[in-house]
Amino acid sequence: DTEVTQTPKHLVMGMTNKKSLKCEQHMGHRAMYWYKQKAKKPPELMFVYSYEKLSINESVPSRFSPECPNSSLLNLHLHALQPEDSALYLCASSQDEISGELFFGEGSRLTVL
Amino acid sequence: SQQGEEDPQALSIQEGENATMNCSYKTSINNLQWYRQNSGRGLVHLILIRSNEREKHSGRLRVTLDTSKKSSSLLITASRAADTASYFCATDAAGGGNKLTFGTGTQLKVEL
Repeated sequence: DTEVTQTPKHLVMGMTNKKSLKCEQHMGHRAMYWYKQKAKKPPELMFVYSYEKLSINESVPSRFSPECPNSSLLNLHLHALQPEDSALYLCASSQDEISGELFFGEGSRLTVL
Repeated sequence: SQQGEEDPQALSIQEGENATMNCSYKTSINNLQWYRQNSGRGLVHLILIRSNEREKHSGRLRVTLDTSKKSSSLLITASRAADTASYFCATDAAGGGNKLTFGTGTQLKVEL
């Protein structure tokens, strides 16, 4: 199984809502990532988890709250988002945090009204 | 920022032709990777080249790396309509772990 699965594929939320994005991998990878991608732009790193611990936070606003419940799961909790947060949110995993290929999910397309 | 610049931003070719994309970056790296993204979908890893390598091949792909010029190129030979996608280079800074920074991307369109 070389898949990273993200749910939901599409999400529309209001600025006062609380929602979560979910990501799952069963490749035994020990590093997991959240990236944000705006239209026609490259992905930008948000968070890195290594061995279930947050190792990198790229100065992301606190309205985005990551969580890694176990080595296979990664969540991104969303609260009080702004319309400019509308984007494609990509989850990825890799064998470890040192180096190597990233395996990406198909992304969750978020629209904030 | 280590964000790479890619050129061209967009490239349109006929099926069967070769496509070359270039990537420049700013700091010393461990590895450089190339990814492909179909419209609005996830990224797919194509190839990784280490900083001590100069050229690598994988099927119809050929990647070169010139660390003295801080640049890389991706050549796709005998292109097909199915190669239509955006292509991104990604670098990880030396000593920075697997924290990838993606280039600006090249949109490739292969026409029948």
